[in-house]
Amino acid sequence: AQSVTQLGSHVSVSEGALVLLRCNYSSSVPPYLFWYVQYPNQGLQLLLKYTSAATLVKGINGFEAEFKKSETSFHLTKPSAHMSDAAEYFCAVSDRGVTGNQFYFGTGTSLTVIP
Amino acid sequence: DVKVTQSSRYLVKRTGEKVFLECVQDMDHENMFWYRQDPGLGLRLIYFSYDVKMKEKGDIPEGYSVSREKKERFSLILESASTNQTSMYLCASQSAGAAYEQYFGPGTRLTVT
Repeated sequence: AQSVTQLGSHVSVSEGALVLLRCNYSSSVPPYLFWYVQYPNQGLQLLLKYTSAATLVKGINGFEAEFKKSETSFHLTKPSAHMSDAAEYFCAVSDRGVTGNQFYFGTGTSLTVIP
Repeated sequence: DVKVTQSSRYLVKRTGEKVFLECVQDMDHENMFWYRQDPGLGLRLIYFSYDVKMKEKGDIPEGYSVSREKKERFSLILESASTNQTSMYLCASQSAGAAYEQYFGPGTRLTVT
């Protein structure tokens, strides 16, 4: 079965500092991996996805993530945090086995950006 | 752009009422999903559908049912609302194929009193 673990339910960074949000997955097959962002009282918006092409994936708003098979990780980074990055972030893995397209989400990381 | 709309942003219902949450997508996607989101628990899958009139149980289907009579519309039904169903409900749609992302609606915040 697939699963996703997000280390740190709350992360605080200063404006301009590096953002690092951690995601580890377990999967019995090579995975498809996704990062979503959720702003208050809104739905989830796709930041980026890994679908077995380049291991370093660039997304919107300056975010990127690197797929590391040996570490079963897909951590999200941004070189310089902006106040507008304050939001909830979710990592997800897609099951492409017999159960089809079910996504498995992590429990989320709330990012606070300190001025 | 893909658009997923949900019938209500905020809803307040009484215990025991039958509640309908509607979701409509405009991209001819085959797959549609209903999740509930609770603090500290992330998103939990209630039901999903791969085609019209088809449905599959997710991780927490108890107390819920769904209906998909048309490809673009996926309804979540709370047969008899209870206070523990107070939550944020998110609908998503997706093109067939595991590499495709899910597109989410804005969510319905349901309060059952």
